[in-house]
Amino acid sequence: GENVEQHPSTLSVQEGDSAVIKCTYSDSASNYFPWYKQELGKRPQLIIDIRSNVGEKKDQRIAVTLNKTAKHFSLHITETQPEDSAVYFCAASIQAGTALIFGKGTTLSVSS
Amino acid sequence: GAVVSQHPSRVICKSGTSVKIECRSLDFQATTMFWYRQFPKQSLMLMATSNEGSKATYEQGVEKDKFLINHASLTLSTLTVTSAHPEDSSFYICSAWTGETQYFGPGTRLLVL
Repeated sequence: GENVEQHPSTLSVQEGDSAVIKCTYSDSASNYFPWYKQELGKRPQLIIDIRSNVGEKKDQRIAVTLNKTAKHFSLHITETQPEDSAVYFCAASIQAGTALIFGKGTTLSVSS
Repeated sequence: GAVVSQHPSRVICKSGTSVKIECRSLDFQATTMFWYRQFPKQSLMLMATSNEGSKATYEQGVEKDKFLINHASLTLSTLTVTSAHPEDSSFYICSAWTGETQYFGPGTRLLVL
C-alpha cells in the first residue's frame, strides 16, 4: 500500500522567512496530493492540493510543487506569520475521492 | 462550503461499555466516508472506508468486530467502539468527499476510564 514520508518533523522559522516541508510517496499510482493544517484539538483544514497533471500550484503565500518522476511533493509558505504556526500534514491518494494516507506531520513554529 | 459534523465532540466512558460516534454530511450527499484515528502528537491513521449501503472496508490491523461501522444513508455514517478499553482512548475523525475535496469533521475525543 501507499506510504508517505514527511520531513522535517519540526520546523522553526522567524516571522517573514519562508518554510518548506517535503513529502515523498511510494505508490506511483497516486495522483492526488493535498496539504492540511491542523491546530491543536481541531480538525485538519485543507490549505492547498495538487493533482498529478499539474507540476505547481500557488495560492497567495502558499505553493505546492509536485515531481511525479521522483515521487515527491513540497509545500512552500512565504512571508510566514505567527498564525501559520500549526501542524501540517501532507497526504496522498490514488485518486481524488479515495482514502488519504497521511505523512507524520510537521510542527511549524513561527516566532515574531 | 461543505460541512461535515460529528457527534458527540467528546465522550468519557467506563471500560467495557460501547460508544457510538455519528458523522454527518450537512449540505451534500456522501456515498463514501472515511474514519481516522489520531493519537496525541501523531498523524491521522485511516481505520476504515464507510460505503453507503454496503459493508465497510477496514484497514489492516483494525478489528471490524470492535469498530462497527454503519453507513445507512447518504448523509450519515456511524462508528461504534464496542467494549471500549483505555487503549481505545483517542481522537476519532471522519471525513467525506464532496466531489472537489475531502472535508473533515471536527473530531470526537474519546476517553475510556
